[in-house]
Amino acid sequence: DAGITQSPRHKVTETGTPVTLRCHQTENHRYMYWYRQDPGHGLRLIHYSYGVKDTDKGEVSDGYSVSRSKTEDFLLTLESATSSQTSVYFCAIRGTGEYEQYFGPGTRLTVT
Amino acid sequence: GQQVMQIPQYQHVQEGEDFTTYCNSSTTLSNIQWYKQRPGGHPVFLIQLVKSGEVKKQKRLTFQFGEAKKNSSLHITATQTTDVGTYFCAGTYTNAGKSTFGDGTTLTVKP
Repeated sequence: DAGITQSPRHKVTETGTPVTLRCHQTENHRYMYWYRQDPGHGLRLIHYSYGVKDTDKGEVSDGYSVSRSKTEDFLLTLESATSSQTSVYFCAIRGTGEYEQYFGPGTRLTVT
Repeated sequence: GQQVMQIPQYQHVQEGEDFTTYCNSSTTLSNIQWYKQRPGGHPVFLIQLVKSGEVKKQKRLTFQFGEAKKNSSLHITATQTTDVGTYFCAGTYTNAGKSTFGDGTTLTVKP
């Protein structure tokens, strides 16, 4: 699956705590994406990156920040987690064709 | 904003019946991708359509891109239990670095 890993795979945290999710790729792809998936909402884009230190917001970016200091790593940070951020988070990379994306296995985050 | 609408949200079929899901955009798309997500899994890329009126087939799956590049469909002939999952379309608009996903169609197949 395009050499994409996500860590952690599961996390339970308390409201108000900071959380960082990591996406790692091994194939030097330029574009990387963070999505959240909730029942009834499909996949919603949080942030994406088009190169080292180049990022842009998606449709649900409030409460989230990202960083990409190396090509292979894209970090998603929840500065102060809220219960509304309980979700499954997927990282994806854009393939070498047009716009096809390849997804990591996901991180299930629960904020109590 | 740019939205991709996908219908139906759910589809329940008897094994052997056909299945179709539709995606529509109010504005012209540059291209469209289709993904399948099995229960508990991650989305998996199936195919990309780029040309107006394009039709592509993968075994029992037929993908179409409308002439105006505003709509697309995925048709499965003679469904099998292995087809169970959620099918997503994702549209890309010109000069966008990202795709907009539909909300998906969840297919259940009764043996």
